[in-house]
Amino acid sequence: SQELEQSPQSLIVQEGKNLTINCTSSKTLYGLYWYKQKYGEGLIFLMMLQKGGEEKSHEKITAKLDEKKQQSSLHITASQPSHAGIYLCGARVSGGGADGLTFGKGTHLIIQP
Amino acid sequence: NAGVTQTPKFRILKIGQSMTLQCAQDMNHNYMYWYRQDPGMGLKLIYYSVGAGITDKGEVPNGYNVSRSTTEDFPLRLELAAPSQTSVYFCASSYAPPQIDKQYFGPGTRLTVL
Repeated sequence: SQELEQSPQSLIVQEGKNLTINCTSSKTLYGLYWYKQKYGEGLIFLMMLQKGGEEKSHEKITAKLDEKKQQSSLHITASQPSHAGIYLCGARVSGGGADGLTFGKGTHLIIQP
Repeated sequence: NAGVTQTPKFRILKIGQSMTLQCAQDMNHNYMYWYRQDPGMGLKLIYYSVGAGITDKGEVPNGYNVSRSTTEDFPLRLELAAPSQTSVYFCASSYAPPQIDKQYFGPGTRLTVL
């Protein structure tokens, strides 16, 4: 089973509207990362969250890690065409053996003008 | 800094052929990783390295091999390519372990095995 579940899988939002993407794990998350991927390109780092309750913002994007460190949300305010792409959450999951990140399947975001 | 570079960008292989995907970083990072991304799926860890001369298996290592003779380079070798290895391959690096330091990703290599 997928260790990191992202929802929704895809999202179509009218330009200017707000949106939220969620990343949920059944295990404790350590070093939760949000990346953005443009179609056919590499991953661009957005934000990193480590502590339960932590919240970070950059421009119009805010990410939070809940107190129990098992869920994170990414919120975009007043969406713009430049926000379109695939948003991936990645994390070090408790009990994970290999020293890499576990990723969700991604959320495809489309911004309609 | 060039960051993380990968070559080639695209490659088509026939079943049974072999190839090496190149990855290099100029940030003096200790940790390097290889992931694969299949359509509609998240990235899965193939191999990783915590420093020159040290490599270890990730979640999906079968059919691949790696080496880490220098800090800068981390090539991924495919032996006897199979259609199941059709994927986009990403190399990444970080200075510290993933729970405390972000990973920098290369642009990816799109591989098709026919």
